Amino acid sequence: EDQVTQSPEALRLQEGESSSLNCSYTVSGLRGLFWYRQDPGKGPEFLFTLYSAGEEKEKERLKATLTKKESFLHITAPKPEDSATYLCAVSGGSQGNLIFGKGTKLSVKP
Amino acid sequence: NAGVTQTPKFQVLKTGQSMTLQCAQDMNHEYMSWYRQDPGMGLRLIHYSVGAGITDQGEVPNGYNVSRSTTEDFPLRLLSAAPSQTSVYFCASSRVREEKLFFGSGTQLSVL
Repeated sequence: EDQVTQSPEALRLQEGESSSLNCSYTVSGLRGLFWYRQDPGKGPEFLFTLYSAGEEKEKERLKATLTKKESFLHITAPKPEDSATYLCAVSGGSQGNLIFGKGTKLSVKP
Repeated sequence: NAGVTQTPKFQVLKTGQSMTLQCAQDMNHEYMSWYRQDPGMGLRLIHYSVGAGITDQGEVPNGYNVSRSTTEDFPLRLLSAAPSQTSVYFCASSRVREEKLFFGSGTQLSVL
């Protein structure tokens, strides 16, 4: 069964304290891995797409990486405005639709 | 720059009532979908469409109907609301299936 697991469920950081969020997946024939940011009361907002192992993408303080079994979202020197829920999704297998993980809720304290 | 527009933003129903959640996109996207988001469950796919006139079921389709008569619109119908359908509903679209999704702002539905 195609599955996406994100860890940790919640992460509390101090401003400037770098860390990583994990997204592990089991899907036959990965065709894309997506990262989204979701603020309270809003719809998810697209961040990155990764297609193959070894690929990396960066945006401001965020950097996403991909291996054959998992993806990491690295947050360097986070600021309070980075506080949000980060969602991971994959496309692949027999479904063809995006399968989402449950998300990691990130809180960054000043 | 409207993107994906959902209405209403909030709705309260009584058990057994029917209603339609509206979704429209102005990006000429072929693929449209409906998700529900519940605490601890993540986003789950209800129904999707790969083009006008074509719809299919997702992971949790029971109790919901959809139709796609135009490229722009993809309404979600609840025929007889149940408390288990209390959730936040998101409409999303993409150029084609399996590409990055653009989400609407969501509808918070409560069924009493």
